[in-house]
Amino acid sequence: EVQLVESGGGLVQPGGSLKLSCAASGFTFSGSAMHWVRQASGKGLEWVGRIRSKANSYATAYAASVKGRFTISRDDSKNTAYLQMNSLKTEDTAVYYCIKTGEPLPDAFDIWGQGTMVTVSS
Amino acid sequence: DIQMTQSPSSLSASVGDRVTITCRASQGISNYLAWYQQKPGKVPKLLIYAASTLQSGVPSRFSGSGSGTDFTLTISSLQPEDVATYYCQKYNSAPFTFGPGTKVDIK
Repeated sequence: EVQLVESGGGLVQPGGSLKLSCAASGFTFSGSAMHWVRQASGKGLEWVGRIRSKANSYATAYAASVKGRFTISRDDSKNTAYLQMNSLKTEDTAVYYCIKTGEPLPDAFDIWGQGTMVTVSS
Repeated sequence: DIQMTQSPSSLSASVGDRVTITCRASQGISNYLAWYQQKPGKVPKLLIYAASTLQSGVPSRFSGSGSGTDFTLTISSLQPEDVATYYCQKYNSAPFTFGPGTKVDIK
């Protein structure tokens, strides 16, 4: 069974840091791109960023709202993707989902994790 | 960056009604357009990809059309279980922007 499990969410103060993990199973993780999407309570979906596979040079891309503060990485030996969030703001409060997509062609978001909640508050 | 818009932002229809949601991209995206359904408290679910291809397991009352900048999601006969928010998304290249969503409920 294809599965993505996020972890690492919690309460953090403004200006703080947090690192989310996304553990993958049931598919060839090393050949997949991994995305992060967030959703604030009662709001829409916001794409956060993506990391491609080794075959595509682990290329990353980020939304303008998080560029320079968030970093996506992956460890193919552990089948895990990460989202390092620094300089957190109250507006980063949201549920964070990881998603896997195929490579190299553009692929829709068919497999989502259950999400992990991040709350940025003093 | 390409912007995605949706209309209407919400709608209320009767069971059995035909429902149409429109999505527009600010620039052409060929057919790299997906539709997602999100029920309250649940994870989004892929309904349609490549603008018109139904994801496996999705009821045939859902259909998609369009190419370039204008796209449509149609529910041919609205069912109570279709109450949800529907999002379109471009996925040809980064940023993989979502539309603002259309909330559908039963009249």
